[in-house]
Amino acid sequence: AQTVTQSQPEMSVQEAETVTLSCTYDTSENNYYLFWYKQPPSRQMILVIRQEAYKQQNATENRFSVNFQKAAKSFSLKISDSQLGDTAMYFCARGDAGNMLTFGGGTRLMVKP
Amino acid sequence: DTGVSQDPRHKITKRGQNVTFRCDPISEHNRLYWYRQTLGQGPEFLTYFQNEAQLEKSRLLSDRFSAERPKGSFSTLEIQRTEQGDSAMYLCAITFGDLNEKLFFGSGTQLSVL
Repeated sequence: AQTVTQSQPEMSVQEAETVTLSCTYDTSENNYYLFWYKQPPSRQMILVIRQEAYKQQNATENRFSVNFQKAAKSFSLKISDSQLGDTAMYFCARGDAGNMLTFGGGTRLMVKP
Repeated sequence: DTGVSQDPRHKITKRGQNVTFRCDPISEHNRLYWYRQTLGQGPEFLTYFQNEAQLEKSRLLSDRFSAERPKGSFSTLEIQRTEQGDSAMYLCAITFGDLNEKLFFGSGTQLSVL
């Protein structure tokens, strides 16, 4: 089975600092999409950032950026200037044909004041 | 607002009972998906629809599960003869636009089977 692996079950960061969440994936496809979703305690899944595999340039959304290493099948999320509201579960996901997303097991991020 | 409304938000039922969940996309959309999320895990794909057609079903979707989208708008997910292992959050998601566009999730229905 093609999988998505998040090796860090839990992480913490001080407010205003930078944190990086790791993700690796497995795929036999050449064209696919990668996502990071945030799930706060409300359990609403919120899209944070998206990366097209055919694009070499790393995606950026305000304080969120990714480091996409296609050959290594690695897709990490960097959160700069961490805020208390960033406290949540973060899920990495790979999008296949038909938009069927395969999610990793998640990383629980705690931002400390 | 993600444009996806799910009802109910919470459902408690006894083992062996049937339950039905509803997903209402508020805004114009392309495809509609059902995912299941157990505590501490990432969501797992169950099935998806393009208009009324159910195009893909996961092997997670046993014979006790059935999903419909009768008019290509709202969708229902029914679980018959519920088991304790069915306890999970059931998430509905929609896409706008082309293949592999972003998925927008509803708030989910939390099912507890006693």
